[in-house]
Amino acid sequence: AQKVTQAQTEISVVEKEDVTLDCVYETRDTTYYLFWYKQPPSGELVFLIRRNSFDEQNEISGRYSWNFQKSTSSFNFTITASQVVDSAVYFCALSAPFFGNEKLTFGTGTRLTIIP
Amino acid sequence: ETGVTQTPRHLVMGMTNKKSLKCEQHLGHNAMYWYKQSAKKPLELMFVYNFKEQTENNSVPSRFSPECPNSSHLFLHLHTLQPEDSALYLCASSQDPGGLGSPLHFGNGTRLTVT
Repeated sequence: AQKVTQAQTEISVVEKEDVTLDCVYETRDTTYYLFWYKQPPSGELVFLIRRNSFDEQNEISGRYSWNFQKSTSSFNFTITASQVVDSAVYFCALSAPFFGNEKLTFGTGTRLTIIP
Repeated sequence: ETGVTQTPRHLVMGMTNKKSLKCEQHLGHNAMYWYKQSAKKPLELMFVYNFKEQTENNSVPSRFSPECPNSSHLFLHLHTLQPEDSALYLCASSQDPGGLGSPLHFGNGTRLTVT
């Protein structure tokens, strides 16, 4: 079975601090994709990044960076120099074929609050 | 037009009412989805449509009835709901059916309250 665990339910940091959101996943498949989505107060989930299981290179996009480690089944997300606009709920998700049924499994999300 | 549009944004209905949620995507995607988001629970996949055909019904009660007349429109018909059905209902679309590797594009959701 697939499972995504985001152990941090809520995080608050002061603006300009760095913050890391943890994501641990479980799957029996060797081919899979990992995602991060952002859900601002407006409600819609916004796609941030996708990584496949064969590419463990870390990725940086502006103030965002992602650390994918298969050895620990983790796909952590770091925001550098946080800003108030980063306040949102962040979801990690896993997509993997399971008995031919390709589903996207979401974690429970981490609510990030950036304090001005 | 934004990529995925949902209407209404908010809906309050009694348990005996019948209402419908509407979703429209302008991205040329082939797959559309309904998700339910309740407080402190993971996003729950309800229905999946690939090329207008329903391919997934995730043990959803029959009081929720989806309809996909074409690849751009998706409806969720509601009748005789229960208070525990109150939640944010999110519509999404993706380029490729099956979802493997295809990012989902979400609408703003409909906040449903059942009284």
